[in-house]
Amino acid sequence: DAGVIQSPRHEVTEMGQEVTLRCKPISGHDYLFWYRQTMMRGLELLIYFNNNVPIDDSGMPEDRFSAKMPNASFSTLKIQPSEPRDSAVYFCASAGVGETQYFGPGTRLLVL
Amino acid sequence: DQQVKQNSPSLSVQEGRISILNCDYTNSMFDYFLWYKKYPAEGPTFLISISSIKDKNEDGRFTVFLNKSAKHLSLHIVPSQPGDSAVYFCAANSRADKLIFGTGTRLQVFP
Repeated sequence: DAGVIQSPRHEVTEMGQEVTLRCKPISGHDYLFWYRQTMMRGLELLIYFNNNVPIDDSGMPEDRFSAKMPNASFSTLKIQPSEPRDSAVYFCASAGVGETQYFGPGTRLLVL
Repeated sequence: DQQVKQNSPSLSVQEGRISILNCDYTNSMFDYFLWYKKYPAEGPTFLISISSIKDKNEDGRFTVFLNKSAKHLSLHIVPSQPGDSAVYFCAANSRADKLIFGTGTRLQVFP
Protein backbone atom coordinates (compact mmCIF):
# COMPACT_ATOMS: atom_id res chain seq x y z
CA ASP A 1 0.00 0.00 0.00
CA ALA A 2 1.28 3.48 -0.86
CA GLY A 3 0.07 4.90 2.43
CA VAL A 4 -1.83 8.14 2.79
CA ILE A 5 -1.26 10.37 -0.23
CA GLN A 6 -1.47 14.14 -0.06
CA SER A 7 -1.20 16.74 -2.78
CA PRO A 8 0.26 19.18 -3.36
CA ARG A 9 3.30 18.77 -1.12
CA HIS A 10 3.98 22.49 -1.20
CA GLU A 11 1.69 25.39 -1.96
CA VAL A 12 2.54 29.07 -2.13
CA THR A 13 -0.32 31.46 -2.72
CA GLU A 14 -1.30 35.04 -2.18
CA MET A 15 -3.69 36.27 0.44
CA GLY A 16 -7.28 36.09 -0.71
CA GLN A 17 -6.77 33.16 -3.05
CA GLU A 18 -8.57 29.85 -2.72
CA VAL A 19 -6.47 26.88 -1.64
CA THR A 20 -7.49 23.23 -2.03
CA LEU A 21 -5.60 20.44 -0.33
CA ARG A 22 -6.21 16.84 -1.33
CA CYS A 23 -5.94 13.51 0.43
CA LYS A 24 -6.25 9.88 -0.53
CA PRO A 25 -6.55 7.65 2.55
CA ILE A 26 -5.35 4.09 2.89
CA SER A 27 -7.78 1.74 1.22
CA GLY A 28 -10.16 0.13 3.69
CA HIS A 29 -9.73 2.73 6.40
CA ASP A 30 -12.99 4.04 7.83
CA TYR A 31 -11.65 7.22 9.40
CA LEU A 32 -10.04 10.26 7.82
CA PHE A 33 -8.57 13.16 9.78
CA TRP A 34 -7.31 16.60 8.82
CA TYR A 35 -4.69 18.22 11.08
CA ARG A 36 -2.78 21.47 11.06
CA GLN A 37 0.70 21.76 12.55
CA THR A 38 2.06 25.06 13.85
CA MET A 39 4.92 25.83 16.20
CA MET A 40 2.64 27.41 18.77
CA ARG A 41 -0.16 24.85 18.86
CA GLY A 42 1.47 21.67 17.64
CA LEU A 43 -0.85 19.24 15.84
CA GLU A 44 -4.42 20.45 15.89
CA LEU A 45 -7.30 18.29 14.73
CA LEU A 46 -9.44 20.29 12.31
CA ILE A 47 -12.09 17.78 11.28
CA TYR A 48 -12.58 14.06 10.92
CA PHE A 49 -14.82 11.76 8.94
CA ASN A 50 -16.18 8.29 9.59
CA ASN A 51 -17.37 6.42 6.51
CA ASN A 52 -17.29 9.69 4.53
CA VAL A 53 -19.52 11.50 7.04
CA PRO A 54 -18.11 14.47 9.00
CA ILE A 55 -18.21 13.60 12.69
CA ASP A 56 -16.49 16.48 14.45
CA ASP A 57 -15.55 19.79 12.82
CA SER A 58 -15.10 21.71 16.07
CA GLY A 59 -11.44 22.29 15.24
CA MET A 60 -12.13 24.11 12.00
CA PRO A 61 -10.92 27.64 12.74
CA GLU A 62 -13.61 29.56 10.91
CA ASP A 63 -16.00 29.57 8.00
CA ARG A 64 -13.18 30.12 5.56
CA PHE A 65 -12.29 26.46 6.06
CA SER A 66 -14.35 23.63 4.61
CA ALA A 67 -13.76 19.92 4.10
CA LYS A 68 -15.47 17.29 2.02
CA MET A 69 -15.22 13.57 1.54
CA PRO A 70 -17.26 12.66 -1.54
CA ASN A 71 -16.16 9.03 -1.45
CA ALA A 72 -14.04 6.61 0.56
CA SER A 73 -10.89 7.32 -1.40
CA PHE A 74 -10.77 11.09 -1.55
CA SER A 75 -11.06 14.15 0.66
CA THR A 76 -10.41 17.86 0.23
CA LEU A 77 -9.70 20.69 2.62
CA LYS A 78 -10.45 24.09 1.18
CA ILE A 79 -9.52 27.54 2.45
CA GLN A 80 -11.32 30.45 0.86
CA PRO A 81 -10.16 33.16 1.12
CA SER A 82 -6.71 32.28 2.43
CA GLU A 83 -4.86 34.51 4.91
CA PRO A 84 -1.18 34.65 5.98
CA ARG A 85 -2.06 33.16 9.39
CA ASP A 86 -3.21 30.00 7.60
CA SER A 87 0.41 29.24 6.75
CA ALA A 88 1.20 25.87 8.30
CA VAL A 89 1.71 22.22 7.47
CA TYR A 90 -1.56 20.38 6.90
CA PHE A 91 -1.68 16.65 7.48
CA CYS A 92 -4.22 14.07 6.49
CA ALA A 93 -4.40 10.79 8.40
CA SER A 94 -6.51 7.69 8.12
CA ALA A 95 -7.30 4.78 10.41
CA GLY A 96 -9.25 1.58 10.58
CA VAL A 97 -11.68 0.96 13.42
CA GLY A 98 -9.75 0.71 16.68
CA GLU A 99 -6.42 1.18 14.91
CA THR A 100 -3.72 3.82 15.14
CA GLN A 101 -3.70 6.69 12.71
CA TYR A 102 -1.44 6.72 9.68
CA PHE A 103 -0.35 10.13 8.50
CA GLY A 104 0.39 11.42 5.05
CA PRO A 105 3.54 13.45 4.30
CA GLY A 106 1.72 16.74 4.69
CA THR A 107 1.18 19.86 2.59
CA ARG A 108 3.29 22.87 3.47
CA LEU A 109 1.18 25.95 2.83
CA LEU A 110 2.57 29.46 2.64
CA VAL A 111 0.15 32.35 2.20
CA LEU A 112 1.86 35.61 1.30
CA ASP B 1 -6.51 25.57 26.19
CA GLN B 2 -3.92 22.86 25.73
CA GLN B 3 -5.18 19.61 27.20
CA VAL B 4 -1.91 17.87 26.35
CA LYS B 5 1.29 19.75 27.10
CA GLN B 6 4.89 19.14 26.22
CA ASN B 7 6.74 21.85 28.09
CA SER B 8 10.17 21.15 26.68
CA PRO B 9 10.36 22.26 23.05
CA SER B 10 13.77 20.65 22.62
CA LEU B 11 16.15 18.15 24.17
CA SER B 12 19.75 17.31 23.36
CA VAL B 13 21.26 13.98 24.43
CA GLN B 14 24.53 12.23 23.78
CA GLU B 15 24.46 8.97 21.84
CA GLY B 16 24.20 5.97 24.15
CA ARG B 17 22.62 7.92 27.00
CA ILE B 18 18.97 7.93 28.02
CA SER B 19 16.48 10.36 26.49
CA ILE B 20 13.47 11.26 28.61
CA LEU B 21 10.59 13.12 26.99
CA ASN B 22 7.78 14.38 29.17
CA CYS B 23 4.11 15.05 28.65
CA ASP B 24 1.37 16.38 30.95
CA TYR B 25 -2.36 16.28 30.47
CA THR B 26 -5.30 17.94 32.15
CA ASN B 27 -8.30 15.79 31.23
CA SER B 28 -8.78 12.90 33.65
CA MET B 29 -11.11 11.25 31.12
CA PHE B 30 -8.20 10.42 28.84
CA ASP B 31 -7.73 6.66 28.88
CA TYR B 32 -5.26 5.98 26.10
CA PHE B 33 -1.95 7.66 25.36
CA LEU B 34 0.37 7.49 22.38
CA TRP B 35 3.72 8.77 21.23
CA TYR B 36 4.35 9.66 17.60
CA LYS B 37 7.69 10.39 16.00
CA LYS B 38 8.14 12.83 13.15
CA TYR B 39 11.09 13.30 10.81
CA PRO B 40 11.43 16.47 8.69
CA ALA B 41 9.26 16.53 5.57
CA GLU B 42 7.38 13.41 6.69
CA GLY B 43 4.17 12.78 8.54
CA PRO B 44 4.16 11.57 12.15
CA THR B 45 4.46 7.82 12.64
CA PHE B 46 3.16 5.83 15.58
CA LEU B 47 5.81 4.79 18.07
CA ILE B 48 4.31 3.36 21.25
CA SER B 49 1.13 3.56 23.30
CA ILE B 50 -0.20 2.85 26.78
CA SER B 51 -3.63 2.26 28.22
CA SER B 52 -4.67 3.98 31.44
CA ILE B 53 -4.97 0.59 33.14
CA LYS B 54 -1.19 0.21 32.91
CA ASP B 55 1.68 2.26 34.25
CA LYS B 56 4.39 1.01 31.92
CA ASN B 57 4.74 -0.30 28.41
CA GLU B 58 8.00 -1.35 26.84
CA ASP B 59 8.98 -1.95 23.23
CA GLY B 60 12.66 -2.50 22.64
CA ARG B 61 14.56 0.66 23.43
CA PHE B 62 11.35 2.59 24.03
CA THR B 63 9.41 2.62 27.30
CA VAL B 64 6.43 4.75 28.18
CA PHE B 65 5.53 5.41 31.80
CA LEU B 66 2.14 6.68 32.96
CA ASN B 67 1.49 8.38 36.29
CA LYS B 68 -2.27 8.90 36.44
CA SER B 69 -2.29 10.68 39.78
CA ALA B 70 0.12 13.27 38.42
CA LYS B 71 -1.46 13.24 34.94
CA HIS B 72 1.98 12.75 33.53
CA LEU B 73 3.58 10.41 31.07
CA SER B 74 7.10 10.07 29.82
CA LEU B 75 8.92 8.34 27.01
CA HIS B 76 12.31 6.83 27.74
CA ILE B 77 14.69 5.93 24.95
CA VAL B 78 17.72 3.94 25.96
CA PRO B 79 20.26 3.80 24.55
CA SER B 80 19.67 6.86 22.37
CA GLN B 81 20.86 6.70 18.78
CA PRO B 82 21.44 9.46 16.19
CA GLY B 83 18.54 8.03 14.17
CA ASP B 84 16.25 8.88 17.07
CA SER B 85 16.70 12.57 16.30
CA ALA B 86 13.19 13.75 15.44
CA VAL B 87 10.19 15.58 16.85
CA TYR B 88 8.17 13.51 19.31
CA PHE B 89 4.48 14.17 19.85
CA CYS B 90 2.51 12.98 22.81
CA ALA B 91 -1.20 12.29 22.19
CA ALA B 92 -4.19 11.28 24.27
CA ASN B 93 -7.80 10.34 23.76
CA SER B 94 -10.95 9.46 25.57
CA ARG B 95 -12.64 8.12 22.49
CA ALA B 96 -11.49 5.47 20.08
CA ASP B 97 -11.27 7.88 17.18
CA LYS B 98 -10.17 11.36 18.32
CA LEU B 99 -6.63 12.20 19.44
CA ILE B 100 -5.41 15.35 21.18
CA PHE B 101 -1.76 16.10 20.44
CA GLY B 102 0.83 18.11 22.30
CA THR B 103 3.11 20.69 20.73
CA GLY B 104 6.02 18.30 20.31
CA THR B 105 9.59 18.00 21.61
CA ARG B 106 12.52 18.10 19.24
CA LEU B 107 15.11 15.49 20.25
CA GLN B 108 18.66 15.74 19.00
CA VAL B 109 21.03 12.86 19.66
CA PHE B 110 24.65 13.82 19.08
CA PRO B 111 27.67 11.49 18.77
